Amino acid sequence: QVQLVESGGGLVEPGGSLRLSCAASEFTFGDYYMSWIRQTPGKGLEWISYISSSGFSIYYIDSVKGRFTISRDNAKNSLFLQMDSLRAADTGIYYCARVGVGDRWASFDHWGRGALVTVSS
Amino acid sequence: DIQMTQSPSTLSASVGDRVTITCRASQSFSTWLAWYQQKPGKAPKLLIYQASILEDGVPSRFSGSGSGTEFTLTISSLQPDDFATYYCQHSHTYPWTFGLGTKVEIK
Repeated sequence: QVQLVESGGGLVEPGGSLRLSCAASEFTFGDYYMSWIRQTPGKGLEWISYISSSGFSIYYIDSVKGRFTISRDNAKNSLFLQMDSLRAADTGIYYCARVGVGDRWASFDHWGRGALVTVSS
Repeated sequence: DIQMTQSPSTLSASVGDRVTITCRASQSFSTWLAWYQQKPGKAPKLLIYQASILEDGVPSRFSGSGSGTEFTLTISSLQPDDFATYYCQHSHTYPWTFGLGTKVEIK
């Protein structure tokens, strides 16, 4: 049973930073692209970033480019999202998700339970 | 960016009803479309990928169709477990985007 467990969420002031982690288990983590997806009151579900299996290919949506950094440690089966210069609009639930392979490419076939990030003074 | 417009935003239906949800894309593409189900307090769950392929373990009452700019998710006979919010998501070009969702409520 694939498991993805996020941690690191919390309350932070505008301009502050948070680092999310996602611990993966029960699958060969290093074989899969991974993504972060958030769910916010303003925009609903929003895919924000992915990282390739090797870590060499990375994509960010424009609204987080330059502020968020995705990374992974395949030896530790872990995915990370460093979030800097946080804004109120970044408030939401952040999900770690596995990107499918083959015909499932670019769909998200497994999701974590999510980590709540609240940006407020 | 490709915008995904779902309709209706809310749907009231009874157990046993046939339900159809539509997702329209602002640009045409082939079948790079997925559907998800989300229940309150839970993460979304993949139902369908490549517009019409049922994910493992998803009941056969769910089906997907379409290509181009119009896609549909159909539930052939609504069951109590199906009351939830449904989202479409394209992956034709970056960024991959989701629709705003269709909430299926009990009539």
